[in-house]
Amino acid sequence: KAGVTQTPRYLIKTRGQQVTLSCSPISGHRSVSWYQQTPGQGLQFLFEYFSETQRNKGNFPGRFSGRQFSNSRSEMNVSTLELGDSALYLCASSFPENYGYTFGSGTRLTVV
Amino acid sequence: ILNVEQSPQSLHVQEGDSTNFTCSFPSSNFYALHWYRWETAKSPEALFVMTLNGDEKKKGRISATLNTKEGYSYLYIKGSQPEDSATYLCASTTGTASKLTFGTGTRLQVTL
Repeated sequence: KAGVTQTPRYLIKTRGQQVTLSCSPISGHRSVSWYQQTPGQGLQFLFEYFSETQRNKGNFPGRFSGRQFSNSRSEMNVSTLELGDSALYLCASSFPENYGYTFGSGTRLTVV
Repeated sequence: ILNVEQSPQSLHVQEGDSTNFTCSFPSSNFYALHWYRWETAKSPEALFVMTLNGDEKKKGRISATLNTKEGYSYLYIKGSQPEDSATYLCASTTGTASKLTFGTGTRLQVTL
Protein backbone atom coordinates (compact mmCIF):
# COMPACT_ATOMS: atom_id res chain seq x y z
CA LYS A 1 0.00 0.00 0.00
CA ALA A 2 1.58 3.28 -1.12
CA GLY A 3 2.08 5.91 1.58
CA VAL A 4 1.48 9.63 1.43
CA THR A 5 3.54 11.12 -1.40
CA GLN A 6 4.71 14.70 -1.41
CA THR A 7 6.41 16.44 -4.30
CA PRO A 8 8.84 17.96 -4.73
CA ARG A 9 11.11 16.97 -1.82
CA TYR A 10 13.18 20.12 -2.03
CA LEU A 11 12.50 23.52 -3.48
CA ILE A 12 14.42 26.80 -3.61
CA LYS A 13 12.49 29.95 -4.46
CA THR A 14 13.17 33.67 -4.46
CA ARG A 15 11.34 36.20 -2.30
CA GLY A 16 8.19 37.42 -4.01
CA GLN A 17 7.69 34.28 -6.09
CA GLN A 18 4.91 31.80 -5.56
CA VAL A 19 5.13 28.06 -5.03
CA THR A 20 2.84 25.05 -5.31
CA LEU A 21 3.36 21.87 -3.30
CA SER A 22 1.59 18.61 -4.01
CA CYS A 23 0.34 15.81 -1.77
CA SER A 24 -1.12 12.48 -2.85
CA PRO A 25 -2.87 10.73 0.04
CA ILE A 26 -3.13 7.04 0.75
CA SER A 27 -5.71 5.47 -1.54
CA GLY A 28 -9.14 5.71 0.05
CA HIS A 29 -8.21 8.53 2.43
CA ARG A 30 -10.45 11.54 1.90
CA SER A 31 -8.98 13.95 4.43
CA VAL A 32 -5.72 15.78 3.74
CA SER A 33 -4.10 18.17 6.21
CA TRP A 34 -1.08 20.44 5.84
CA TYR A 35 1.45 21.42 8.50
CA GLN A 36 4.43 23.76 8.64
CA GLN A 37 7.54 23.26 10.69
CA THR A 38 10.02 26.11 11.07
CA PRO A 39 13.28 25.93 13.07
CA GLY A 40 12.53 25.96 16.77
CA GLN A 41 8.78 25.63 16.25
CA GLY A 42 6.55 22.62 16.53
CA LEU A 43 4.36 21.50 13.69
CA GLN A 44 1.77 24.19 12.99
CA PHE A 45 -1.55 23.37 11.36
CA LEU A 46 -2.23 25.14 8.07
CA PHE A 47 -5.50 23.69 6.79
CA GLU A 48 -7.47 20.54 6.18
CA TYR A 49 -9.48 19.44 3.16
CA PHE A 50 -12.16 16.82 3.00
CA SER A 51 -14.07 15.91 -0.15
CA GLU A 52 -12.70 18.96 -1.97
CA THR A 53 -13.83 21.38 0.77
CA GLN A 54 -11.67 23.23 3.25
CA ARG A 55 -12.94 22.03 6.59
CA ASN A 56 -10.54 23.71 8.98
CA LYS A 57 -7.95 26.47 8.77
CA GLY A 58 -5.04 27.49 11.00
CA ASN A 59 -3.73 30.96 11.79
CA PHE A 60 -1.79 31.70 8.65
CA PRO A 61 -2.05 34.70 6.32
CA GLY A 62 -4.12 34.57 3.16
CA ARG A 63 -0.94 34.04 1.10
CA PHE A 64 -1.27 30.39 2.11
CA SER A 65 -4.02 28.58 0.25
CA GLY A 66 -4.86 25.10 -0.83
CA ARG A 67 -7.26 22.95 -2.70
CA GLN A 68 -8.26 19.33 -3.06
CA PHE A 69 -9.18 17.50 -6.21
CA SER A 70 -11.83 14.86 -6.78
CA ASN A 71 -9.21 12.11 -6.44
CA SER A 72 -8.31 13.53 -2.98
CA ARG A 73 -4.93 14.80 -4.12
CA SER A 74 -4.20 18.17 -2.59
CA GLU A 75 -2.08 21.15 -3.49
CA MET A 76 -0.86 23.95 -1.29
CA ASN A 77 0.07 27.35 -2.72
CA VAL A 78 2.07 30.12 -1.13
CA SER A 79 2.11 33.45 -2.94
CA THR A 80 4.50 36.38 -2.53
CA LEU A 81 7.05 34.27 -0.69
CA GLU A 82 8.84 35.70 2.31
CA LEU A 83 12.09 34.54 3.91
CA GLY A 84 10.10 33.35 6.92
CA ASP A 85 8.19 30.89 4.75
CA SER A 86 11.32 28.74 4.62
CA ALA A 87 10.19 25.57 6.34
CA LEU A 88 9.39 21.90 6.09
CA TYR A 89 5.83 21.41 4.84
CA LEU A 90 4.19 18.12 5.74
CA CYS A 91 0.90 16.74 4.63
CA ALA A 92 -1.06 13.99 6.30
CA SER A 93 -3.99 11.90 5.16
CA SER A 94 -6.58 10.25 7.33
CA PHE A 95 -9.30 7.61 7.28
CA PRO A 96 -11.41 7.49 9.31
CA GLU A 97 -11.32 11.22 9.81
CA ASN A 98 -10.09 12.63 13.12
CA TYR A 99 -8.44 9.35 14.04
CA GLY A 100 -5.16 8.08 12.63
CA TYR A 101 -3.07 10.41 10.48
CA THR A 102 -0.32 9.21 8.12
CA PHE A 103 2.32 11.73 7.15
CA GLY A 104 4.36 12.18 4.02
CA SER A 105 8.09 12.90 4.07
CA GLY A 106 7.56 16.58 3.45
CA THR A 107 8.72 19.30 1.10
CA ARG A 108 11.65 21.40 2.28
CA LEU A 109 11.12 24.94 0.98
CA THR A 110 13.95 27.44 1.09
CA VAL A 111 13.23 31.06 0.23
CA VAL A 112 16.26 33.18 -0.67
CA ILE B 1 -3.21 23.93 30.06
CA LEU B 2 -3.97 25.83 26.85
CA ASN B 3 -1.40 24.22 24.58
CA VAL B 4 0.23 20.84 24.17
CA GLU B 5 3.44 20.71 26.15
CA GLN B 6 6.10 18.04 26.23
CA SER B 7 8.92 17.37 28.67
CA PRO B 8 11.78 16.99 28.76
CA GLN B 9 12.85 18.84 25.62
CA SER B 10 15.72 16.40 25.13
CA LEU B 11 17.07 13.30 26.74
CA HIS B 12 20.32 11.41 26.44
CA VAL B 13 20.34 7.83 27.79
CA GLN B 14 22.56 4.79 27.61
CA GLU B 15 21.60 1.63 25.78
CA GLY B 16 19.48 -0.55 28.05
CA ASP B 17 18.08 2.33 30.12
CA SER B 18 14.34 2.72 30.44
CA THR B 19 12.93 6.18 30.00
CA ASN B 20 9.68 8.08 29.88
CA PHE B 21 8.36 11.35 28.52
CA THR B 22 5.38 13.49 29.45
CA CYS B 23 2.75 15.15 27.27
CA SER B 24 0.29 17.64 28.78
CA PHE B 25 -2.73 18.73 26.80
CA PRO B 26 -5.99 20.67 27.25
CA SER B 27 -8.47 18.31 28.88
CA SER B 28 -11.59 20.25 27.90
CA ASN B 29 -13.37 19.00 24.80
CA PHE B 30 -10.73 16.30 24.37
CA TYR B 31 -11.08 13.87 21.46
CA ALA B 32 -7.82 11.94 20.96
CA LEU B 33 -4.14 11.90 21.85
CA HIS B 34 -1.55 10.84 19.27
CA TRP B 35 2.07 9.82 19.71
CA TYR B 36 4.51 9.93 16.80
CA ARG B 37 8.12 8.92 16.37
CA TRP B 38 10.08 11.13 13.95
CA GLU B 39 13.52 10.25 12.68
CA THR B 40 15.57 12.81 10.81
CA ALA B 41 14.83 12.92 7.05
CA LYS B 42 11.88 10.55 7.43
CA SER B 43 8.15 11.05 7.88
CA PRO B 44 6.60 11.01 11.35
CA GLU B 45 5.57 7.46 12.21
CA ALA B 46 2.36 6.93 14.16
CA LEU B 47 2.89 5.02 17.39
CA PHE B 48 -0.40 5.26 19.26
CA VAL B 49 -3.80 6.91 19.12
CA MET B 50 -5.66 6.95 22.42
CA THR B 51 -9.12 8.25 23.19
CA LEU B 52 -10.36 6.82 26.49
CA ASN B 53 -9.33 7.86 29.99
CA GLY B 54 -7.11 5.14 31.44
CA ASP B 55 -6.13 3.82 28.00
CA GLU B 56 -2.86 1.92 27.93
CA LYS B 57 -1.26 0.87 24.65
CA LYS B 58 1.86 -1.12 23.92
CA LYS B 59 3.99 -1.71 20.84
CA GLY B 60 7.06 -3.83 21.50
CA ARG B 61 9.20 -2.02 24.08
CA ILE B 62 7.16 1.18 23.83
CA SER B 63 3.98 1.82 25.81
CA ALA B 64 1.77 4.80 26.57
CA THR B 65 -0.87 5.77 29.10
CA LEU B 66 -3.59 8.39 28.99
CA ASN B 67 -5.32 10.49 31.66
CA THR B 68 -7.95 12.67 30.01
CA LYS B 69 -9.31 14.10 33.26
CA GLU B 70 -6.04 15.74 34.23
CA GLY B 71 -4.76 16.14 30.67
CA TYR B 72 -1.56 14.14 30.47
CA SER B 73 -0.05 11.14 28.74
CA TYR B 74 3.17 9.25 29.39
CA LEU B 75 5.28 7.43 26.83
CA TYR B 76 7.61 4.73 28.16
CA ILE B 77 10.51 3.04 26.41
CA LYS B 78 11.87 -0.08 28.10
CA GLY B 79 15.49 -1.07 27.46
CA SER B 80 16.35 1.77 25.06
CA GLN B 81 18.28 0.87 21.91
CA PRO B 82 20.27 3.19 19.59
CA GLU B 83 17.55 2.75 16.95
CA ASP B 84 15.08 4.38 19.37
CA SER B 85 16.93 7.66 18.85
CA ALA B 86 14.38 10.06 17.39
CA THR B 87 12.07 12.92 18.27
CA TYR B 88 8.86 11.80 19.96
CA LEU B 89 5.88 14.02 19.30
CA CYS B 90 2.51 14.08 20.92
CA ALA B 91 -0.54 15.81 19.49
CA SER B 92 -4.11 16.23 20.60
CA THR B 93 -7.35 16.69 18.75
CA THR B 94 -10.35 18.34 20.38
CA GLY B 95 -14.06 18.22 19.72
CA THR B 96 -14.84 17.65 16.09
CA ALA B 97 -11.86 19.73 14.93
CA SER B 98 -9.92 17.69 12.45
CA LYS B 99 -6.53 19.12 13.25
CA LEU B 100 -3.60 17.94 15.32
CA THR B 101 -2.15 20.35 17.85
CA PHE B 102 1.44 19.28 18.41
CA GLY B 103 3.87 19.70 21.25
CA THR B 104 7.43 20.64 20.37
CA GLY B 105 8.65 17.10 20.97
CA THR B 106 11.16 15.24 23.10
CA ARG B 107 14.43 14.48 21.37
CA LEU B 108 15.83 11.15 22.54
CA GLN B 109 19.41 10.09 21.94
CA VAL B 110 20.47 6.57 22.92
CA THR B 111 24.17 5.80 22.99
CA LEU B 112 26.07 2.55 23.39
